[in-house]
Amino acid sequence: DTGVSQDPRHKITKRGQNVTFRCDPISEHNRLYWYRQTLGQGPEFLTYFQNEAQLEKSRLLSDRFSAERPKGSFSTLEIQRTEQGDSAMYLCASSFTGGAEWGYTFGSGTRLTVV
Amino acid sequence: DQQVKQNSPSLSVQEGRISILNCDYTNSMFDYFLWYKKYPAEGPTFLISISSIKDKNEDGRFTVFLNKSAKHLSLHIVPSQPGDSAVYFCAATIANAGGTSYGKLTFGQGTILTVHP
Repeated sequence: DTGVSQDPRHKITKRGQNVTFRCDPISEHNRLYWYRQTLGQGPEFLTYFQNEAQLEKSRLLSDRFSAERPKGSFSTLEIQRTEQGDSAMYLCASSFTGGAEWGYTFGSGTRLTVV
Repeated sequence: DQQVKQNSPSLSVQEGRISILNCDYTNSMFDYFLWYKKYPAEGPTFLISISSIKDKNEDGRFTVFLNKSAKHLSLHIVPSQPGDSAVYFCAATIANAGGTSYGKLTFGQGTILTVHP
């Protein structure tokens, strides 16, 4: 297992288009998190899953955002009708339950640019 | 509402000296604190964590100190090396909420560390 994988690494889209990102976590990890990071800021929590259940969604996650983890393995994050304000780095992380002591493993992120 | 703050946007130190990165938090419910390092175009990499029941945790050149009464933590890097140059993020979590492990991370804004040879 080589860590958390995110695809694509970069995505440029026109405003109003839909985009979907994929995250493959470390296979033994049952928790998966999505974060968003804009320039000069720390990552901001969007949502997280424990196995296939989505347990929390941030207020940052508008109705245009939806995330799934259908079989408790990989996850997708879809943004509908993209806006320029959606331009950011989208980070995925995974962990064991109670993984604070060992940290959370992040992927390299998907950089979204909305033009 | 910025619950985790890193008030120094940048820090510059000489190779071999100590780097001290600071972080303040406001939410007294936080019970685990983590430090991450981030290089450009990569995701954050976990460095070290500390539970709220401890006041110090050490791992090689990295030591994290926690002052709960002041709601303050710091990361010490000794000796600093040029390869340590990166953005450092402090993060906090409520690892256990009502007996259920939780774990959402709240990050500070980051501090850019530059270590000069």
